[in-house]
Amino acid sequence: SQQGEEDPQALSIQEGENATMNCSYKTSINNLQWYRQNSGRGLVHLILIRSNEREKHSGRLRVTLDTSKKSSSLLITASRAADTASYFCATGTIDAGKSTFGDGTTLTVKP
Amino acid sequence: EAGVTQSPTHLIKTRGQQATLRCSPISGHTSVYWYQQALGLGLQFLLWYDEGEERNRGNFPPRFSGRQFPNYSSELNVNALELEDSALYLCASSLEADKGYYGYTFGSGTRLTVV
Repeated sequence: SQQGEEDPQALSIQEGENATMNCSYKTSINNLQWYRQNSGRGLVHLILIRSNEREKHSGRLRVTLDTSKKSSSLLITASRAADTASYFCATGTIDAGKSTFGDGTTLTVKP
Repeated sequence: EAGVTQSPTHLIKTRGQQATLRCSPISGHTSVYWYQQALGLGLQFLLWYDEGEERNRGNFPPRFSGRQFPNYSSELNVNALELEDSALYLCASSLEADKGYYGYTFGSGTRLTVV
């Protein structure tokens, strides 16, 4: 089973609105990463938050991490049509040498 | 700086054949990771190579194998192809020192279709 699970599976909003995606995981982590994937192409690294951090910002992106609830959220503010993509969370642990990805949230931003 | 490059972009093979996929990491990155992404699904971890050695392996049969060359480029081989091997195969690289702690840089993937 996947370590990270995104919710919702699909999200459709109007341009200018905010989009919030959630990620839940099961075991202790060292960090949590968010990626974007456009049309079945490679993934683009958006932001990484460490287990000792609670919130991180990057441009229009805001990520929160609640290790007590084993959950993270990605907020995209003032969305644009170009934000239409699939978004994945991935959990990293110290020794695994790999990150485990969820099945992603498909975001559609309508112009 | 060149990103992670994968070749070929698309590959069509017949069931039972072998497929070879290639990946060149970002210059200076010593770790290479392979992931399989079936259509509409998430990424499944396949293999991790670091300094020429296989460091970790996902839950895939032995017909999925690979290697890492002295220049840190990597090759993924899939033998005895089955229809369900059809997927996007993604390669990622990271600095050995952080082993992905700072996130991965992904290539654009190889779309493998088995007919």
